Amino acid sequence: ETAVFQTPNYHVTQVGNEVSFNCKQTLGHDTMYWYKQDSKKLLKIMFSYNNKQLIVNETVPRRFSPQSSDKAHLNLRIKSVEPEDSAVYLCASSSYEQYFGPGTRLTVL
Amino acid sequence: GDSVTQTEGLVTLTKGLPVMLNCTYQTTYSPFLFWYVQHLNEAPKLLLKSSTDNKRTEHQGFYATLHKSSSSFHLQKSSVQLSDSALYFCALSGGAGGYKVVFGSGTRLLVSP
Repeated sequence: ETAVFQTPNYHVTQVGNEVSFNCKQTLGHDTMYWYKQDSKKLLKIMFSYNNKQLIVNETVPRRFSPQSSDKAHLNLRIKSVEPEDSAVYLCASSSYEQYFGPGTRLTVL
Repeated sequence: GDSVTQTEGLVTLTKGLPVMLNCTYQTTYSPFLFWYVQHLNEAPKLLLKSSTDNKRTEHQGFYATLHKSSSSFHLQKSSVQLSDSALYFCALSGGAGGYKVVFGSGTRLLVSP
């Protein structure tokens, strides 16, 4: 049963455009994450929020910025996308283990 | 910093054989270890978790034991099925109050008839 929702499922855009991805969880967790899964299927944490507070901010380009309006929502904005941003972006909600959303596949042309 | 090492990139097996996927970790914190499974075109899902030393944890026929002395959390199954074909990730949470999660590079398991 899906409890972490992401929109959109897919997004195709051109280099230099801005994109935004949305994530919502209905699990009641305090902590949410953004991960990037590249073409080699490597999973890398990008950001972690706990109750709207940024807790983990890994070394990601400045064009990536997370936003959290409340503990159930965590969005990701990418200003001026680059080709290397093509990937699947996975949102997760967590108590201890991670509950992943279905992902947003970004293709940058 | 924290790290997780999965030595096998690809494991191919015939149905019915046993499997062990290796996972070792490094951390200065009290570790919480996880195995996630990702089937094709799906999101990763939790398979197993443990923070208790030397205690076997099991789920869906898979099992693993956290050994803090050797910093290992290997995943095993006694008889693989076709449906076990997937990508398996070992993960560690420890740093930043447990909020920082590090994933291994993943092991793809392919089970043939």
